[in-house]
Amino acid sequence: DQQVKQNSPSLSVQEGRISILNCDYTNSMFDYFLWYKKYPAEGPTFLISISSIKDKNEDGRFTVFLNKSAKHLSLHIVPSQPGDSAVYFCAAVGGFKTIFGAGTRLFVKA
Amino acid sequence: DGGITQSPKYLFRKEGQNVTLSCEQNLNHDAMYWYRQDPGQGLRLIYYSQIVNDFQKGDIAEGYSVSREKKESFPLTVTSAQKNPTAFYLCASSIGVNEQFFGPGTRLTVL
Repeated sequence: DQQVKQNSPSLSVQEGRISILNCDYTNSMFDYFLWYKKYPAEGPTFLISISSIKDKNEDGRFTVFLNKSAKHLSLHIVPSQPGDSAVYFCAAVGGFKTIFGAGTRLFVKA
Repeated sequence: DGGITQSPKYLFRKEGQNVTLSCEQNLNHDAMYWYRQDPGQGLRLIYYSQIVNDFQKGDIAEGYSVSREKKESFPLTVTSAQKNPTAFYLCASSIGVNEQFFGPGTRLTVL
């Protein structure tokens, strides 16, 4: 039973355009959400997070939106750059556990 | 520089052997975690430890064991009881329950 779902295994975007990565969750007890970025053969690195009391958090080119009623969050990258090409994991925190989605591989074409 | 290290980067094991993966952090974090990543899947939690000398099973603990004798160290042993151990193993640490810092990972292959 996947509590955190990233339904798009991959996404391809032209450089300079917007990348939108989506994530859905099922457990309404999750109260904190994070996005991690991962390059091949490396560990994930933290990108941006959002608390359940907010609906938007912005950090430079990265913005995370949270829609609690739909149990949905999204990561927007504007403008997309070739260096953004990586796997992006959505994660949700409830209690002491962090549940990760399966990841979305983003390709940014020059 | 503060960080989290894992060794070795690549590890080969014969069937029936136990192997131990190292994880060390100098971030002074209380919490440490072990995850397993398989192709097309997210990170699945094997074990976690919130404090020295204490650890809890995650979602897929069968066939694994850990120890937490020191704050900075959280080694993972993959035992012969783990039926499908070939995977990418990631160690992480955190302050509290939010942002986790990950090591570079160990790729374990069973021959």
